[in-house]
Amino acid sequence: GAGVSQSPRYKVAKRGQDVALRCDPISGHVSLFWYQQALGQGPEFLTYFQNEAQLDKSGLPSDRFFAERPEGSVSTLKIQRTQQEDSAVYLCASRLYGANVLTFGAGSRLTVL
Amino acid sequence: SQQGEEDPQALSIQEGENATMNCSYKTSINNLQWYRQNSGRGLVHLILIRSNEREKHSGRLRVTLDTSKKSSSLLITASRAADTASYFCATDASRGGSEKLVFGKGTKLTVNP
Repeated sequence: GAGVSQSPRYKVAKRGQDVALRCDPISGHVSLFWYQQALGQGPEFLTYFQNEAQLDKSGLPSDRFFAERPEGSVSTLKIQRTQQEDSAVYLCASRLYGANVLTFGAGSRLTVL
Repeated sequence: SQQGEEDPQALSIQEGENATMNCSYKTSINNLQWYRQNSGRGLVHLILIRSNEREKHSGRLRVTLDTSKKSSSLLITASRAADTASYFCATDASRGGSEKLVFGKGTKLTVNP
């Protein structure tokens, strides 16, 4: 598609539930990033893929967070046993390999009750 | 954790006035970028300045970079109500491995008609 597509746009989960957030990057964009943005804060890096390889997962806050990109295109961020502190907007971004500029999706807003 | 720190955190001006936002960062960088985020949306790239550049212009935007002070500023001239958004600086300090951009906490700009 023309842009980075994320779904769902809004997700409400009860504490302890598992959630899965999907990102469909721009076709041909090799690099894919996940960021977490708390209310009133800037995006915080979570993880980075180059094609299907997860090259940096240093920002994942705990082992409850897991991301995958099995075919080098669509990516899924999974959060197990959600906690209230996981409430945030999860942003996906992609770019061409070697490019500097990121193209962001609109984000998935997760609210954990 | 976030590398960039913008100030002010919030800025309110009248339409037609200029808006200046500042960003400080901590480590050596390859380039610095500014992004804009409208409420409830993803981030949109505005302008990139490389570490060997001191000033760059794009339309009503002017960015400066002082690597000796590890700081940058974004000037929006002749502001419009449509410029109301949050503005983030992002630094690229890639060192052969991690390709991530590190974002600051942002400046929330309100332009009053």
